[in-house]
Amino acid sequence: EPEVTQTPSHQVTQMGQEVILRCVPISNHLYFYWYRQILGQKVEFLVSFYNNEISEKSEIFDDQFSVERPDGSNFTLKIRSTKLEDSAMYFCASSGGIGNEKLFFGSGTQLSVL
Amino acid sequence: GESVGLHLPTLSVQEGDNSIINCAYSNSASDYFIWYKQESGKGPQFIIDIRSNMDKRQGQRVTVLLNKTVKHLSLQIAATQPGDSAVYFCAETVQKLVFGQGTRLTINP
Repeated sequence: EPEVTQTPSHQVTQMGQEVILRCVPISNHLYFYWYRQILGQKVEFLVSFYNNEISEKSEIFDDQFSVERPDGSNFTLKIRSTKLEDSAMYFCASSGGIGNEKLFFGSGTQLSVL
Repeated sequence: GESVGLHLPTLSVQEGDNSIINCAYSNSASDYFIWYKQESGKGPQFIIDIRSNMDKRQGQRVTVLLNKTVKHLSLQIAATQPGDSAVYFCAETVQKLVFGQGTRLTINP
């Protein structure tokens, strides 16, 4: 069964450093998303991406965040200068429907900012 | 230091019993709803969905009920098994998928 894959599974970084989280969405999907989940809390929307541009973003997704689809298969989330409060599990998701239907999630990247 | 997080509602049921997990959603314009299951250390896994023009949908061992009048969604799991232990999230969609708080379901042997 096709799945969304994310790398790395764990990332430890120093505050102020840049990190790039990588995702390979399901191959025939057209809509891509990043969500995050702080330990013990609910899953929060960060950004959606379609047709090579951001279609929607939350207030969490400030200027320190960016997304890119550098080729036909990868979808990345970059955090330019990490803060302690960026520590969370980051989930990539994709969907093939009209936008928000039946998102398929990856297993996540656990980001720890020290 | 101490970590502060939301306290998840919890539900414990005996193996083999039926369970009902409830969710209140906020946006009356939401037109599509999904239940996700999240096991420890994993991403949300799709269980079942329902559109706003329906009030009930059944899958394998799971049933979702939608009451638009009171903006309430429920997930019924029949004959629970140990593998059903997880956190269950409802999610609503208007322009983007928004997750609810989650309920931790524990199946007791």
